[in-house]
Amino acid sequence: AQSVTQLGSHVSVSEGALVLLRCNYSSSVPPYLFWYVQYPNQGLQLLLKYTTGATLVKGINGFEAEFKKSETSFHLTKPSAHMSDAAEYFCAVSALDSSYKLIFGSGTRLLVRP
Amino acid sequence: KAGVTQTPRYLIKTRGQQVTLSCSPISGHRSVSWYQQTPGQGLQFLFEYFSETQRNKGNFPGRFSGRQFSNSRSEMNVSTLELGDSALYLCASRLAGGDETQYFGPGTRLLVL
Repeated sequence: AQSVTQLGSHVSVSEGALVLLRCNYSSSVPPYLFWYVQYPNQGLQLLLKYTTGATLVKGINGFEAEFKKSETSFHLTKPSAHMSDAAEYFCAVSALDSSYKLIFGSGTRLLVRP
Repeated sequence: KAGVTQTPRYLIKTRGQQVTLSCSPISGHRSVSWYQQTPGQGLQFLFEYFSETQRNKGNFPGRFSGRQFSNSRSEMNVSTLELGDSALYLCASRLAGGDETQYFGPGTRLLVL
């Protein structure tokens, strides 16, 4: 069965520092990959997605992610953290069966220190 | 274009009761999926509806059910509520026709006492 692993349930960075949130997936076939962000008491907002084509994907709010098939990774980065980036981030993969269900990682809570 | 809307936003029920949650997808989206989010289990897929038909179902007991109407609006129902059903229930809509992207609503937070 497919799975998604997010390393680090909590990541703390200083404002202005690089943000790196790690995501690895298990799949023998390149899946569709997504990053979502969840602010307190809200739903999930799509940050970016990889389906096919360019492996470096740019999303909203200055985030980007690179699909690396050889490493089965889809890490999320942002060059300079802002206080407003503090939230929980979820990596997800689209199931390779006939469904369109998303399989989520356990999430990484990003803390931004002033 | 308006996003996915869910009603109600908050609910408090007692064990043994039943509850119905509603989801209106983005205009033109034909697929609606439901997910349960809990601190212990994370985000888990409940089911997906497309053209009023349940296409897929996650590993949840039969107490969890849903339906979709001709206007693509969807409801999910949980009968005989248990304490463990306390969760944030998220609805996501998808355009379909090859687009895999799911757009989520704000969720309904259910507390079972």
